[in-house]
Amino acid sequence: AQSVTQLGSHVSVSEGALVLLRCNYSSSVPPYLFWYVQYPNQGLQLLLKYTTGATLVKGINGFEAEFKKSETSFHLTKPSAHMSDAAEYFCAVRRPSGNTPLVFGKGTRLSVIA
Amino acid sequence: SAVISQKPSRDICQRGTSLTIQCQVDSQVTMMFWYRQQPGQSLTLIATANQGSEATYESGFVIDKFPISRPNLTFSTLTVSNMSPEDSSIYLCSVEDTGGAGEYFGPGTRLTVT
Repeated sequence: AQSVTQLGSHVSVSEGALVLLRCNYSSSVPPYLFWYVQYPNQGLQLLLKYTTGATLVKGINGFEAEFKKSETSFHLTKPSAHMSDAAEYFCAVRRPSGNTPLVFGKGTRLSVIA
Repeated sequence: SAVISQKPSRDICQRGTSLTIQCQVDSQVTMMFWYRQQPGQSLTLIATANQGSEATYESGFVIDKFPISRPNLTFSTLTVSNMSPEDSSIYLCSVEDTGGAGEYFGPGTRLTVT
């Protein structure tokens, strides 16, 4: 079975500061990994994904994440936070084979302080 | 990518009634998924819907409570039956990325049961 743990249900940063949202996963096979963002009263939008190849992946809005197999982690970062980054962020995992759905973490709410 | 629409976007319903949520995709897809997002929570998979076969339900969800239709490759419905206040949630449909990695989500249906 697969699972995702997001450390910190709420993270608060100042505008312009580094954003770091933590995600650890458990999987019996090398997984596909994802970060989704959910703005208030909206659906989920894919930020970035890791499937194979380069372990540092870049996504939209200046976000990036690094797959570290030895640490079973896929932390999301952004060098400089904007007010518009305030949202709920979900890390998700799925097996690469077959038509299997995503397994989501509990989410981290990011607040950006002016 | 896929563009997904859901109807209704929100509704307020009385307990004991049923609501059918529609999900329309702008391209043909094999797999469609239905999720529930309870207030302040992460996403929980309700069921996977394949065209031409019965939906596959996750533990804790049953067909009598959440009947699903999948009449063609671009459309699906989820019915929330005999509603109670505990069913108040956001219901989201998603489709699998044609590249096999990740899912695209609809905007969600915000359901309030009084």
